Amino acid sequence: AQKVTQAQTEISVVEKEDVTLDCVYETRDTTYYLFWYKQPPSGELVFLIRRNSFDEQNEISGRYSWNFQKSTSSFNFTITASQVVDSAVYFCALSEAPRRYGGATNKLIFGTGTLLAVQP
Amino acid sequence: EAGVAQSPRYKIIEKRQSVAFWCNPISGHATLYWYQQILGQGPKLLIQFQNNGVVDDSQLPKDRFSAERLKGVDSTLKIQPAKLEDSAVYLCASSLKSLAGDYEQYFGPGTRLTVT
Repeated sequence: AQKVTQAQTEISVVEKEDVTLDCVYETRDTTYYLFWYKQPPSGELVFLIRRNSFDEQNEISGRYSWNFQKSTSSFNFTITASQVVDSAVYFCALSEAPRRYGGATNKLIFGTGTLLAVQP
Repeated sequence: EAGVAQSPRYKIIEKRQSVAFWCNPISGHATLYWYQQILGQGPKLLIQFQNNGVVDDSQLPKDRFSAERLKGVDSTLKIQPAKLEDSAVYLCASSLKSLAGDYEQYFGPGTRLTVT
């Protein structure tokens, strides 16, 4: 069965600190996709990144970076020089690869989320 | 580009009453999802539509929940009768399914349901 674990329930940092959010996943599929979403207090889930299981290159986007390691089934998310606006709940999610006709759903399996509070 | 629209944003009902939520996906998105997010948890898929057909409703409590997507665009999710444990945020999402496999899901603002 597919599962996503975000062991950190809450993290509190002071502005400008770096912070890493951990994500560990379980799947039997050889082809799968990993995602990070941000959920600010307004409640809307904001897509941040998608990574497929064949691409282990780390990715950097501004202050955000992601470290994907298949050997440890982890997909960690680092925010460099955190800002108050980064305060939100962050969800890691997993989906199996969609098939072209019929077959598997590409539903997202979410972790329980990590609440990040960035203090000024 | 307009995002996923949902209404109402908030709803308070008593147990055993019925309620309906509406979702309008991003234009051109063939796939529509309804998720339930209970406080403190991650969203859980209730039902997925591909155009107007159901792809996955394995976690939908079919004795009380129903959903439809007429004409493959808008969708409604109904609960009848509601229970206290149905208190949650109901999120609608849509994605563009193409042969290229472009399927990030884009979420609406959600409907916060409180059952008293």
